[in-house]
Amino acid sequence: DIQMTQSPSSLSASVGDRVTITCQASQDISIYINWYQQKPGKAPKLLIYDASNLEAGVPSRFSGGGSGTDFTFTISSLQPEDVARYFCQQSDNLPFTFGQGTKLEI
Amino acid sequence: EVQMLESGGDLVQPGGSLRLSCAASGFTFSNYAMSWVRQAPGKGLEWVSAIIGNGASTYYTDSVKGRFTISRDNSKNTLYLQMSNLRADDTAVYFCAKGKHFWGQGTLVTVSS
Repeated sequence: DIQMTQSPSSLSASVGDRVTITCQASQDISIYINWYQQKPGKAPKLLIYDASNLEAGVPSRFSGGGSGTDFTFTISSLQPEDVARYFCQQSDNLPFTFGQGTKLEI
Repeated sequence: EVQMLESGGDLVQPGGSLRLSCAASGFTFSNYAMSWVRQAPGKGLEWVSAIIGNGASTYYTDSVKGRFTISRDNSKNTLYLQMSNLRADDTAVYFCAKGKHFWGQGTLVTVSS
């Protein structure tokens, strides 16, 4: 199985800050990584798919990049409503494994 | 509008069985692979199983192989997860998902004596 190493596990930042989360895959997954936001008691919400594609309706302050094994997820200007847990997921090979998540606080 | 509604979650004893359902609407169900993903309380997400549109191929994570069976009834637009020989570490919220874009709200399975 492909291992996804996500860091940091938690992060505290201020409103307006630029925030970056990274995921490293244990093998080449090309661009097949997705980024989700999850708020307590809710289902995960897709923000970015295939490394850098913004899901419809998602604010443009969210972005993603990378290819191969190293990926980044960035919030350009942190907003109070962005408090959540964020997960990466590889969709290159089954099982579609997730990173362990990043808890983002303000 | 795409919607998925899971049901069937319950409290069950170790070694017991349970069947989860996911009723889908708003898209041509038979055209899409569907998945189950679970999340243990306070933990991360774990992909569990997937099935292609016509049901001919199924996939499982190692920890549930031989215990869980994914199936679908395209005439009823419904996805299923039959779970048997349940263990305490199967305790989780189970989400059904259409690809990566659409997820249900989840149903809670608790395995405890």
